Amino acid sequence: AQKVTQAQTEISVVEKEDVTLDCVYETRDTTYYLFWYKQPPSGELVFLIRRNSFDEQNEISGRYSWNFQKSTSSFNFTITASQVVDSAVYFCALSAGRGSTLGRLYFGRGTQLTVWP
Amino acid sequence: GAGVSQSPSNKVTEKGKDVELRCDPISGHTALYWYRQSLGQGLEFLIYFQGNSAPDKSGLPSDRFSAERTGGSVSTLTIQRTQQEDSAVYLCASSRLLGQDNGYTFGSGTRLTVV
Repeated sequence: AQKVTQAQTEISVVEKEDVTLDCVYETRDTTYYLFWYKQPPSGELVFLIRRNSFDEQNEISGRYSWNFQKSTSSFNFTITASQVVDSAVYFCALSAGRGSTLGRLYFGRGTQLTVWP
Repeated sequence: GAGVSQSPSNKVTEKGKDVELRCDPISGHTALYWYRQSLGQGLEFLIYFQGNSAPDKSGLPSDRFSAERTGGSVSTLTIQRTQQEDSAVYLCASSRLLGQDNGYTFGSGTRLTVV
């Protein structure tokens, strides 16, 4: 079975603070993909990053960074020097399986991040 | 088109009525997906299409839900005899090819309210 857990329902920080959003996944497949999406108040899901299971190299994109650790089945997302515009719901997702389930995304419940000025 | 387009953006319907939700994927995208986002349930998979066929219908909540895709392009999600628990945001996404290594592009969703 495929499962994604985002234990943090809501996080509030003050602007310029660093914040880490946790994501833990479960899958028995050896080949899988992990994603992070941002959902601002407008509602549209915005793709942030995709990583495959064979690439554990951490990635940095501007103020965003991702830490993928297979040993702990985690794919955490850190925002450095947070800004008010970062306020949104962030979803972690897993794509695994084959055959009829290929391409299906399994989402966590999301973490509501609020950044106060 | 440039992005995934969904219509209507908002729909209010009376309990028991049928509704049709439309998704227009990015031109050339062969895979199309429907998800539902409701309070307390997060994002749940409904169905996906590879071309015009739907290999996995396991996510449809009941037989009141159906979907079709024609011409490898536009898809329609139909909910018959709507119930209040059907109230949610219905999201559509498309990708160039079906597979785990292709990113999805999501539409803005249709907010359905059943009263």
